[in-house]
This record gives sequence, C-alpha cells and structure tokens, in this order.
Amino acid sequence: EVQLVESGGGLVQPEGSLRLSCAASGFTFSNYDMNWVRQAPGKGLEWISYIASSSITIYYADSVKGRFTISRDNAKNSLYLQMNSLRAEDTAVYYCARLIAGRAFDIWGQGTMVTVSS
Amino acid sequence: EIVLTQSPATLSLSPGERATLSCRASQSVSSSLAWYQQKPGQAPRLLIYDASNRATGIPARFSGSGSGTDFTLTISSLEPEDFAVYYCQQRSNWPPDIFTFGPGTKVTIK
Repeated sequence: EVQLVESGGGLVQPEGSLRLSCAASGFTFSNYDMNWVRQAPGKGLEWISYIASSSITIYYADSVKGRFTISRDNAKNSLYLQMNSLRAEDTAVYYCARLIAGRAFDIWGQGTMVTVSS
Repeated sequence: EIVLTQSPATLSLSPGERATLSCRASQSVSSSLAWYQQKPGQAPRLLIYDASNRATGIPARFSGSGSGTDFTLTISSLEPEDFAVYYCQQRSNWPPDIFTFGPGTKVTIK
C-alpha cells in the first residue's frame, strides 16, 4: 500500500524548534518530488515547501523562508521539515504530499499537528 | 503570484443533485489545475489533475473542465459521501515557483 506517515508534531513555545518526519512506503520514494502542505485550524490549505527527487531543487513559501528547512533521505525513504523560530501563526496540521506530473499532490499523509503556544 | 478564487464559498444541495464548482485564476495557468476533496479530520484527496484527468480510483461522477483562467469541477449526482470541502490548486510555471490553493468551496446538505 502506498503510504505516507508524518510524525514529530507537538506543542512548542514561540521561537522554539521542531523537526517533522514523513516516512514513505509502497512506492519508490527516490523517484518522486515531495512537499509539505499545512492547514491552520479551520482554515484552507497552504503549500510551504518543495524538494525535488534528488534534492537538487528546493522551494519555500515566503511565509516560512529562512525559518524552515526541507530535506530528504532517499536511503531511508524519509522526508523532513526542520522548523525554527516558530510563531503562533505556524500552528497547523502539517501534511507531507507526493507530487505527480510536476503539478498535483496525489498521495497525502494523515498529518501531524504543530501547536505554537506559551 | 497567481491567485485562485473559488465560487461559491458554500453550495447547499440535496443528494442526487448536480454540483458545479468554479475556480478562477488571476492569470492563465494553461491546464495545470488540480481539484481536491477534504472531509473533516481527513487529509485532502486528489480528484482531478491537469484540469480534466481523474485521479486513480475517483468515480466517474466527478469531472473537471476548463483551461486558461476558468475551471469547473462538476459532480453529476451528489452522493452522501460527497459533502465536503473542495479546493483547486495550481503550480506557477515561472518564478516565484510555487503552488497555490484556492480558498475552498464547502458543499453542504440542503
């Protein structure tokens, strides 16, 4: 079964750090570009970061640029998101998502909740 | 940056009725538009990619059309499980190279 499973969410204080992980299974992870998408409580979807299959290309949304770092380990079939200098507005469910045809997210994890609060 | 606008914000229909959801882009995205369904407490599910291609396992009652700036998701006959929020999404082909989601249309039971 094709699957993505996120972990690492939790409660963190403002200006704190957190590292999210996404474990992939059921497909050849190294063949696919991957992304992180988040959703604040009661709000819509916001794409935040992209990484190419080989890690050669990386993009970030302006809202997280300079604070978040995306990475992957193809040998471990894993995607990561290092989040630093967290703010209250970063509170959201964070999803990892596989990209197909360079344009659409066809497989999503179940999400991991990040709460930034003192 | 391309902005996606969805209308209506909320659509109240009965099971068996036809649903027509609109997504408009602030500039042309060619056919690079996808649609997702999201139910409460669940991750989004890809329905349509490249404007009109159904994703794997998506029922034929879901169809997408359009190109350029105007796109439509049609649900030919609503099933009880179709009441959800629907998002459109595009990827820019030029800098800033980003992905954008629309604000969503909530389809509710009338």
